[in-house]
Order: sequence, then C-alpha cells, then structure tokens
Amino acid sequence: GAVVSQHPSWVICKSGTSVKIECRSLDFQATTMFWYRQFPKQSLMLMATSNEGSKATYEQGVEKDKFLINHASLTLSTLTVTSAHPEDSSFYICSARTGTGVNTGELFFGEGSRLTVL
Amino acid sequence: AQSVAQPEDQVNVAEGNPLTVKCTYSVSGNPYLFWYVQYPNRGLQFLLKYITGDNLVKGSYGFEAEFNKSQTSFHLKKPSALVSDSALYFCAVRGRGTALIFGKGTTLSVSS
Repeated sequence: GAVVSQHPSWVICKSGTSVKIECRSLDFQATTMFWYRQFPKQSLMLMATSNEGSKATYEQGVEKDKFLINHASLTLSTLTVTSAHPEDSSFYICSARTGTGVNTGELFFGEGSRLTVL
Repeated sequence: AQSVAQPEDQVNVAEGNPLTVKCTYSVSGNPYLFWYVQYPNRGLQFLLKYITGDNLVKGSYGFEAEFNKSQTSFHLKKPSALVSDSALYFCAVRGRGTALIFGKGTTLSVSS
C-alpha cells in the first residue's frame, strides 16, 4: 500500500515554543490530508481537513490559530502547534487520501508523532 | 451525523479461539465502513472495508467482517486468534467529506 511518513516521531519541547510536524505521502499525490489527535487509550479525533493549495477546514472546537496547517504541495502537509502548552501533549496522526472522487481513494495513515510539552 | 459505536472497551480471548470485536453504526445514506488496527505508539493499519457488494468482507491477517444492514452492525471476526493480534482495534465510518470518524476503540488481548 501507499506510504505516509510523519516526522518527527517523538518531540519534547518547552512550554511556549512552537513545534512543526510534517506529513508526507511518499509514493502518491495526496490532494487531501487529515490531521487527527489521539489522547492515551482514546479514539482519534479529527482536527482538520487539509486540501492542497487552500485553507484547511477545522473541526468545531479546534483552534485554527493554535494549530496551523499548511498543505503547500501534493505530497506535504504540516501541522504547527504554536505556543505549545502541556495540555497540547498528545499523539498526532496524519492521513492522506489517494484519488479525488468521494467514493474512491484509500486513506493511509502516518505512524504518528508524539508531542510532549514540558 | 455519521457515527460508530464500539460497545466493548476490551475483549479477551485465548489463542486459537475465535474472536469477535463489535461495531454498530449510524449513518444517513449508504455506509462506508472500515476496520483499522493500532499497535502501541504506532499509526493505524488498514484491515478491511465495506463499500458495497458482499456482506462478508475479507481483509488482512485473516480478519473478516460481516456487514448486517438490519442490525446496523459491522463486527470484526477471526476464526483463530493469535497472540500477535493483541492490539487496539478501531471501527470507522466515512463522515462528512471523506474523513473517517472513528469509534472509541476496543483493546483485544489474546492470551497464550
């Protein structure tokens, strides 16, 4: 299957700093990428949908100024957690979709990025 | 709104026994249903999906799922469990647009 790579896998930062997480589709072009957040032993919560070349669509309750999403190319989307605080500590997972039709295309998931804010 | 429910937080089975992980769904329109597995500190791995066609869907690693429209269920099954099947399993439905909406997850523990 297609490969989605996330970087970094682990990141520890001080409170108040910003952290960027990259999501790359390695062998396909992803017109749409999704960012999820997962708390320990909980489900994945959709944060935002990112379409190449346009502004991301955020889910209700997700602060767009806090979680900046950029989808500059068909193979790269970035999530920047700005002014991170301990409550932002979480496991962030991206997924990328092949194809363009609503009923076509597969979703492939990255390995996730664990953010710990001290 | 589209949603899925996984009623069990944990399922325990002995190696070699059949396993079932339950999932029920609530959708408007045709359901597009998925099962994913997650190992600790890892991303999600696709197991199988139901879009249309046969109600019994076969997937990766010997897993299968049965789509039951009357019961609005999509239970994951495997005839003979392996210890290596121990992981967190998520049922998902395609939501608004093309994003997936996940259930809360079920931890499968297979004992030797």
